[in-house]
Amino acid sequence: QSVLTQPPSVSGAPGQRVTISCTGSSSNIGAGYDVHWYQHLPGTAPKLLIYGNTNRPSGVPDRFSGSKSGSSASLAITGLQAEDEADYYCQSCDSSLRVVFGGGTKLTVL
Amino acid sequence: QVQLVESGGGEVQPGGSLRLSCAASGLTFRNYGMHWVRQAPDKGLEWVAIIWYDGSEKYYADSVRGRFTISKDNSKKTLYLEMNSLSAEDTAIYYCATARGNSWSRFYMDVWGKGTTVTVSS
Repeated sequence: QSVLTQPPSVSGAPGQRVTISCTGSSSNIGAGYDVHWYQHLPGTAPKLLIYGNTNRPSGVPDRFSGSKSGSSASLAITGLQAEDEADYYCQSCDSSLRVVFGGGTKLTVL
Repeated sequence: QVQLVESGGGEVQPGGSLRLSCAASGLTFRNYGMHWVRQAPDKGLEWVAIIWYDGSEKYYADSVRGRFTISKDNSKKTLYLEMNSLSAEDTAIYYCATARGNSWSRFYMDVWGKGTTVTVSS
C-alpha cells in the first residue's frame, strides 16, 4: 500500500490529453511538501519529468505539465505520442522524514 | 554529462549480506546528497535511503532501517549500500540517484543510474 495514491492505469489515443492523479494526505502533500514526477520504462533509469510541483527540467517537452492543489497533484500530458507509453510515478516527502512514492500509473497509448 | 553506474548486485541466500556501489562521474560528487531507490519485481518504486552531501545525516525507510547502511566516499566519488540480514522481500533492482532540494519539503531525485539487480533466494 503506497503512501501516495495513483490510478493503476490510464490510456489515450495519439494526440489526446491524459492526466494522472496523485493523492496524498495532511502529512505529506497537504502539509506543503513538493510533488515530483518520474517517467520509467522497464529496464531503464527512471527520468525526472517534473520537479517542485510544476517545473520541467531542461529537455523535457512542454507537453508535460504538473499541478498541485491541497493534498493532491496531477501530471498532464498533451499531444500524446507512442513514445510516452511508460510507467509514471509521483513522489513527495512526509513529516516522518521519509521519501514517499505513488504506486505508479501505466500509460497505454492506444 | 552526469553518469551514475551501480554495481555489486547478484544472488545471495536469505540472511546473507551484499554491498552495492554507485560510481559517479561528471559532477562534483562531494556537493551532492544521494538516494538509493529500489523496485521489486512487478512492483513500484520504493525509496530506501538518503545521505547528506557530507555524510553527516542518513535516513532510511522503515523496511530497511537497522539492516541497511548508506555511506559515501567523496574522495572516490562513490556511494555505497551495505545490506545485511537479507530476505526475499529485498529482491529488487536497486537504483542510486542524486538528491536535489534543500529541505525535506523539496527533496527529489535528479539523475538516476540504470540499476543493479539483487536476488535473495535459497
